Amino acid sequence: GDSVTQMEGPVTLSEEAFLTINCTYTATGYPSLFWYVQYPGEGLQLLLKATKADDKGSNKGFEATYRKETTSFHLEKGSVQVSDSAVYFCALSEYRSFGNEKLTFGTGTRLTIIP
Amino acid sequence: GAGVSQTPSNKVTEKGKYVELRCDPISGHTALYWYRQSLGQGPEFLIYFQGTGAADDSGLPNDRFFAVRPEGSVSTLKIQRTERGDSAVYLCASSLAHGELFFGEGSRLTVL
Repeated sequence: GDSVTQMEGPVTLSEEAFLTINCTYTATGYPSLFWYVQYPGEGLQLLLKATKADDKGSNKGFEATYRKETTSFHLEKGSVQVSDSAVYFCALSEYRSFGNEKLTFGTGTRLTIIP
Repeated sequence: GAGVSQTPSNKVTEKGKYVELRCDPISGHTALYWYRQSLGQGPEFLIYFQGTGAADDSGLPNDRFFAVRPEGSVSTLKIQRTERGDSAVYLCASSLAHGELFFGEGSRLTVL
């Protein structure tokens, strides 16, 4: 079945450091890939997505590129801020039926940025 | 409200009791999902509604779990004869017929 493996945390970085959170996936077809973020006290929010190979998703300075050859979707940001402290989830969705965006999530990576 | 609303935010119950968790989706969203997130894990799919019908209930762990959405809006997740292993955060999400999922903050269930 489908699965997502992401870098275990917690990850602690200093402000303005470079961030990479690794994510690899296993899927039978051609999934869409997502990064979700959960800020303290809030619900999960979509951060970015990519729907086909070589697509790059980007938002709020974060980027991730859909790499079919390595089955990866690593999250990167060039200069993190304290406000980026959150839990990050990598996820995939395979088309099953119209409208069914059934997501398979990784275990999450807790990121803490210190000033 | 503007977002997905879930109640209660916290529920503590005893083993063997019956529990209902409510989800109020964003107005106009036809798709509704329930997920379960255990400690240290990512959310796991439980069930998907399109309108009033459960289009995919393949994630429900056993027949103690049931969900309804009688009028195509509010949904209730029902858990019978709760067990300690049911303790988790239950997440609800809604979307337009085919689009981005918007998640609620979840209902934290603790079974003693």
